[in-house]
Amino acid sequence: GAGVSQSPRYKVAKRGQDVALRCDPISGHVSLFWYQQALGQGPEFLTYFQNEAQLDKSGLPSDRFFAERPEGSVSTLKIQRTQQEDSAVYLCASSFGQGPEAFFGQGTRLTVV
Amino acid sequence: AQKITQTQPGMFVQEKEAVTLDCTYDTSDPSYGLFWYKQPSSGEMIFLIYQGSYDQQNATEGRYSLNFQKARKSANLVISASQLGDSAMYFCAMREGEDNQGGKLIFGQGTELSVKP
Repeated sequence: GAGVSQSPRYKVAKRGQDVALRCDPISGHVSLFWYQQALGQGPEFLTYFQNEAQLDKSGLPSDRFFAERPEGSVSTLKIQRTQQEDSAVYLCASSFGQGPEAFFGQGTRLTVV
Repeated sequence: AQKITQTQPGMFVQEKEAVTLDCTYDTSDPSYGLFWYKQPSSGEMIFLIYQGSYDQQNATEGRYSLNFQKARKSANLVISASQLGDSAMYFCAMREGEDNQGGKLIFGQGTELSVKP
């Protein structure tokens, strides 16, 4: 595809349920980022991949959050035992790894009830 | 300490007029990049403009320009000739380190711009 694709666009989860959010970056993009955006706030960094290597996961809020990119393209962000405070929009971004610009997907809006 | 500060939660501008959205930043890294993104109600983050810390001239992209004042650590976005479609949230962001290091973006809280007809 032409842009970064995220699925699903919307997800409602019951508290305690596990969820998996998918990101399809732009083909050939080396770098992939996940961000969490709470309502009315700016995005906050969660984790960063360069190809299949997870180089920075300092932003993951707890050990319930896990991300992978096994083949260096598609990435999945998994949240185990969801809690209400996990409700947010999860944004994925990709870039070539050189040069400034990162391209964002439309995000997945997660609502935990 | 907050690294990116956007002090204007909301701004109004008349269509066809210019508007300035404020952004100040804090870093001790000599190499950094400054970004502005637009986020319409659809949710995606749209890249608008970039300024590198070593760039001598202010960045411009069409109706967007970045007023970079390094000594004051400010990177204000100027939108000229506002259009109704400019109504959106605008985020200032910073990346520390060189461009090829693929570093994370640190975002401000955003400014909601409303363009009046």
